Amino acid sequence: DSGVTQTPKHLITATGQRVTLRCSPRSGDLSVYWYQQSLDQGLQFLIQYYNGEERAKGNILERFSAQQFPDLHSELNLSSLELGDSALYFCASSVDLRPASSGNTIYFGEGSWLTVV
Amino acid sequence: GESVGLHLPTLSVQEGDNSIINCAYSNSASDYFIWYKQESGKGPQFIIDIRSNMDKRQGQRVTVLLNKTVKHLSLQIAATQPGDSAVYFCAERNYGQNFVFGPGTRLSVLP
Repeated sequence: DSGVTQTPKHLITATGQRVTLRCSPRSGDLSVYWYQQSLDQGLQFLIQYYNGEERAKGNILERFSAQQFPDLHSELNLSSLELGDSALYFCASSVDLRPASSGNTIYFGEGSWLTVV
Repeated sequence: GESVGLHLPTLSVQEGDNSIINCAYSNSASDYFIWYKQESGKGPQFIIDIRSNMDKRQGQRVTVLLNKTVKHLSLQIAATQPGDSAVYFCAERNYGQNFVFGPGTRLSVLP
């Protein structure tokens, strides 16, 4: 158990709908990351927050947004869902903004499996 | 859970043998590397990491080797066990704090 908690574990929704994925980082971790994992594209970095502020952005679609709250939990909002958004969405966390060692590395949650039908 | 990366390269080894999983990374400026293990339906699990100022790092039954000249990273697993069967990813940190993940290698341990 990495200590990173994600809900829901599984979600099935229709095209055009909106969903929210939730993540609680490990205790003491200030940085939260969101990754998307699909069959054909591997693990893709979406966005990073540190202590409530957005710090890095990857290939995140405009239909997707995220935020990190004062209690450090984070939510990833996916809207106008398309079939191609079906994927595993992982949250990860680290102590610091810039992980650089075993004591300050990135730990992943178990993921939220999103199926868009 | 459903498997991801159905078309990943696969390494098959006999139980008890040593495994070597390779990874080519993209950026010569990358300064920190991590190996993850991902079992079916689960999240990536941290195995071992190495900074770019090192060539080798050992953990319990695992060793990571870094060759910066050819931008190559390898993970060696000693005495491979059935529980080692999984997909293994390398990750490199480049352009600041972003991590880029390799495509992964599926390790299959044969009895």
